[in-house]
Amino acid sequence: QKEVEQNSGPLSVPEGAIASLNCTYSDRGSQSFFWYRQYSGKSPELIMSIYSNGDKEDGRFTAQLNKASQYVSLLIRDSQPSDSATYLCAVPIRAGGFKTIFGAGTRLFVKA
Amino acid sequence: GAVVSQHPSWVICKSGTSVKIECRSLDFQATTMFWYRQFPKQSLMLMATSNEGSKATYEQGVEKDKFLINHASLTLSTLTVTSAHPEDSSFYICSAVTGGGLGNQPQHFGDGTRLSIL
Repeated sequence: QKEVEQNSGPLSVPEGAIASLNCTYSDRGSQSFFWYRQYSGKSPELIMSIYSNGDKEDGRFTAQLNKASQYVSLLIRDSQPSDSATYLCAVPIRAGGFKTIFGAGTRLFVKA
Repeated sequence: GAVVSQHPSWVICKSGTSVKIECRSLDFQATTMFWYRQFPKQSLMLMATSNEGSKATYEQGVEKDKFLINHASLTLSTLTVTSAHPEDSSFYICSAVTGGGLGNQPQHFGDGTRLSIL
């Protein structure tokens, strides 16, 4: 089992819809969870951090965390074509010190 | 805040050349920096963890004599690809963490370096 799993997609949604991106992780001890956005040919940029169970909202983005189910998701409301990118889920795990495991990413296409 | 600068952004050079890539944390001190490689349409692959003042920790399968990492200060890490060959052509990205280097903090990425070896 991979340590951080994401559906590779592509996920295609129409403009204005809600895009839902999912991620599961294997380390029950993980306490921090991050979502990054990566445009084609560019480096990843941090868009959300979440540390506690429940929802965390930031503008059109909502991160949801359920530690019991080892599940973290990212919702993008009112999706825009500019949201088209690959979204990476990242989870630090204890491996000696900490090591961040990145999921393979979900490619999102928002159709105008 | 948490700006990471990476230089150069693009390198094209002949086979056999050594290439140095710099990664700087501009507004914070980074005791730990990370170096990744990414091939087209593939996910990030961690190459090594760079620790200020000590030797880098390389991931399995990454040749430490091929990819030399130096982290001489709290704001600068360098990756040197020695005797580069076409198969080393890739997108190299560095990142750094704030928070005193705690690994459970988010990573902040540089803009990446696209390396093309002819």
